[in-house]
Amino acid sequence: EPEVTQTPSHQVTQMGQEVILRCVPISNHLYFYWYRQILGQKVEFLVSFYNNEISEKSEIFDDQFSVERPDGSNFTLKIRSTKLEDSAMYFCASQKLAGGLRGDTQYFGPGTRLTVL
Amino acid sequence: SQKIEQNSEALNIQEGKTATLTCNYTNYSPAYLQWYRQDPGRGPVFLLLIRENEKEKRKERLKVTFDTTLKQSLFHITASQPADSATYLCALDAGDDKIIFGKGTRLHILP
Repeated sequence: EPEVTQTPSHQVTQMGQEVILRCVPISNHLYFYWYRQILGQKVEFLVSFYNNEISEKSEIFDDQFSVERPDGSNFTLKIRSTKLEDSAMYFCASQKLAGGLRGDTQYFGPGTRLTVL
Repeated sequence: SQKIEQNSEALNIQEGKTATLTCNYTNYSPAYLQWYRQDPGRGPVFLLLIRENEKEKRKERLKVTFDTTLKQSLFHITASQPADSATYLCALDAGDDKIIFGKGTRLHILP
């Protein structure tokens, strides 16, 4: 069964450094998402992406964050200058249908654990 | 803004019994509500979706209800098994392409 993959599984970085988290969504899916989960807390929506542009973003997704789909298969989340509080699990998700049928199943990847020192 | 509350942080249920988890929301009724399972260190796995015009949905041993008057969804696992032990997340439509998650309930099925 197709699945969402994410690399790396664990990323350790120094505060102030840039990180890029990578995701390969399921191939015929059209909507892509990034979420984060700080240890012991709830899953938080960051951003949704459709048709090569951001369709929705949360207040967490500030200017330090950006997303890109550089080559039609990868979907990346970049954090420009990491802060200690960016330490979390970051999940990518993809969804097949666009628009009309809202709430279609989102398939989550296994996550990248980001540790900022 | 919309808030979600899941009734307890942890719930212990004897194997074979029905586990019932609660999700309450505070504001407008969402177009849909979803339930996910999350195991430690893993991403959420979609289980069931119920829309605002549906009262109940079933899938194998799982049942979800949606009461827009009470602003509540109940998630039931019948004939529970130790393998059902996990954290169960409620998530709902927050408009457009955004969903918000509850903090989850950790379910322990005791053998």
